[in-house]
Amino acid sequence: AQKVTQAQTEISVVEKEDVTLDCVYETRDTTYYLFWYKQPPSGELVFLIRRNSFDEQNEISGRYSWNFQKSTSSFNFTITASQVVDSAVYFCALSELGTFSGGYNKLIFGAGTRLAVHP
Amino acid sequence: DTGVSQNPRHKITKRGQNVTFRCDPISEHNRLYWYRQTLGQGPEFLTYFQNEAQLEKSRLLSDRFSAERPKGSFSTLEIQRTEQGDSAMYLCASSLATSPSEKLFFGSGTQLSVL
Repeated sequence: AQKVTQAQTEISVVEKEDVTLDCVYETRDTTYYLFWYKQPPSGELVFLIRRNSFDEQNEISGRYSWNFQKSTSSFNFTITASQVVDSAVYFCALSELGTFSGGYNKLIFGAGTRLAVHP
Repeated sequence: DTGVSQNPRHKITKRGQNVTFRCDPISEHNRLYWYRQTLGQGPEFLTYFQNEAQLEKSRLLSDRFSAERPKGSFSTLEIQRTEQGDSAMYLCASSLATSPSEKLFFGSGTQLSVL
């Protein structure tokens, strides 16, 4: 069965610290996609990144970076020089492609990591 | 792009009552999803529409739940005879089918509290 584990329930850091959020996934598929979403207090899930299983290059976007390692089934997310505005719940998700109409995107989410960045 | 809109934002109801939520997706999006999120957990898939056709329902969706998407535009999710276990955040998401595993755009959700 497909599964996503985010072992860190809550992380608390002081502004400007670097922080890494861990994500481990399980799947038997050879083709799959991984996502990170941010959920601020407003409740709306905000897309951060999508990575397919054939692309193991690390990605950097501003203060955000992602480390995808297929060998350990991990897709970790690092925020460099954290800011108070980064405080949110972060979800890692694995796509389970639906079987109808060429495959739609049914996401399997981890339980999330609540990040609190203090001034 | 005005985003995915959900109404109401909050709903408090008594056990046994029926409730209905509405989702307005991004206008050109043909795919629409409902998810449910309980406290401290990630969202769980409930159902999927492609245009007006409901193509998949999770086993989480008991027969008290019904969803519709008339004319492939907005969608409604109705819960009949609500139970306390139905208390959760109900999230709607939409997407445009451009590739396998396209990006989903989520609304802010409807928070349901069943007393």
